[in-house]
Amino acid sequence: KAGVTQTPRYLIKTRGQQVTLSCSPISGHRSVSWYQQTPGQGLQFLFEYFSETQRNKGNFPGRFSGRQFSNSRSEMNVSTLELGDSALYLCASSLGTPGTEAFFGQGTRLTVV
Amino acid sequence: GESVGLHLPTLSVQEGDNSIINCAYSNSASDYFIWYKQESGKGPQFIIDIRSNMDKRQGQRVTVLLNKTVKHLSLQIAATQPGDSAVYFCAEIPRTGGFKTIFGAGTRLFVKA
Repeated sequence: KAGVTQTPRYLIKTRGQQVTLSCSPISGHRSVSWYQQTPGQGLQFLFEYFSETQRNKGNFPGRFSGRQFSNSRSEMNVSTLELGDSALYLCASSLGTPGTEAFFGQGTRLTVV
Repeated sequence: GESVGLHLPTLSVQEGDNSIINCAYSNSASDYFIWYKQESGKGPQFIIDIRSNMDKRQGQRVTVLLNKTVKHLSLQIAATQPGDSAVYFCAEIPRTGGFKTIFGAGTRLFVKA
């Protein structure tokens, strides 16, 4: 059974650009959550998608957005990149029902210069 | 590898000793808790979970204790091994319809051979 796949693994962007990250969940999982991980702030919840609908949202500005497709694959977009957006972006998939664990991908390391 | 957190609380133990990692959670409405292990360059990996109707759960070499009165969670690792060196996160999942997982700041465990 394939795990959670995130692409690309590494990305370097310039301030002001936008970026799209991709996450393919484990087959059969309908929930995909996104997290930002930085040394100073730890793991911060961005949003969760379930069956193509955003079900939960963290406290991030509107520059951070996402979507989920009918095959449960999800994309996250960050527009007008800032230096502070440099981080490891992690995606987690789960069945999406209470009491079920989330499985994480390896993450995408985004560096904004 | 990735630097998960440069200023995390750190626990240093001798190989073979037992380790205890503590976590305080914030939401009294949370009814599901998970401990994750994150090694350098990897995404968090599930270790063990516990539901709010339990106060103790044992796995292989690991035990999680839940004290709802003081909103405290602990992870005990028996006979700690060098491969246990990692950052450990506790996570709480509030009793909401979605899968918004709130992570603690993390604790870095160093195992000395």
